[in-house]
Amino acid sequence: GDSVTQMEGPVTLSEEAFLTINCTYTATGYPSLFWYVQYPGEGLQLLLKATKADDKGSNKGFEATYRKETTSFHLEKGSVQVSDSAVYFCALSEGGSNTGKLIFGQGTTLQVKP
Amino acid sequence: DTGVSQDPRHKITKRGQNVTFRCDPISEHNRLYWYRQTLGQGPEFLTYFQNEAQLEKSRLLSDRFSAERPKGSFSTLEIQRTEQGDSAMYLCASRKGQVADGYTFGSGTRLTVV
Repeated sequence: GDSVTQMEGPVTLSEEAFLTINCTYTATGYPSLFWYVQYPGEGLQLLLKATKADDKGSNKGFEATYRKETTSFHLEKGSVQVSDSAVYFCALSEGGSNTGKLIFGQGTTLQVKP
Repeated sequence: DTGVSQDPRHKITKRGQNVTFRCDPISEHNRLYWYRQTLGQGPEFLTYFQNEAQLEKSRLLSDRFSAERPKGSFSTLEIQRTEQGDSAMYLCASRKGQVADGYTFGSGTRLTVV
């Protein structure tokens, strides 16, 4: 079945450092891809999305490009802030599914130090 | 738009007891999902409703679990004869229209079975 694999964490960076969190997927159809962020004690918030190959999703300085040839959707940010500390989840929505359910990766914890 | 509301936020129960959680989706969202998230893992799909119809259930949803969405509005998730392995965060999400429109997640109900 469809699956999502993320780089293991935690990722620890200093403020203003460059961030990359790797995400690769396996899917039989043409999924939509998402990054969600979860702050401590809270639910998931949609960070960005891309619905077809070569689309770039962006929000709050974060970017990710839907790469069909490498089945990847890596999350990047040029300069992280302490407030970006959270758990980041890569997810796909099955392309051929009638339900549109999400398949999540295991999450990557980001810690940004001042 | 008041978001997706879940109640209670936290529940501690003794093994063997029954528990029920409630989710109130965004009012115009006709699609509703339940997910389970254990510590250090990404959310896993449990079940899906379109309006009042339960259209898909995961293998994770054992016979002890039941979900309803009467009248296509709020939804309840009941766990009978709870076990320690049921301890997790239970997340509800809703969406309207296409997958690409995105999902809105509630803050979750954290269940602890002692």
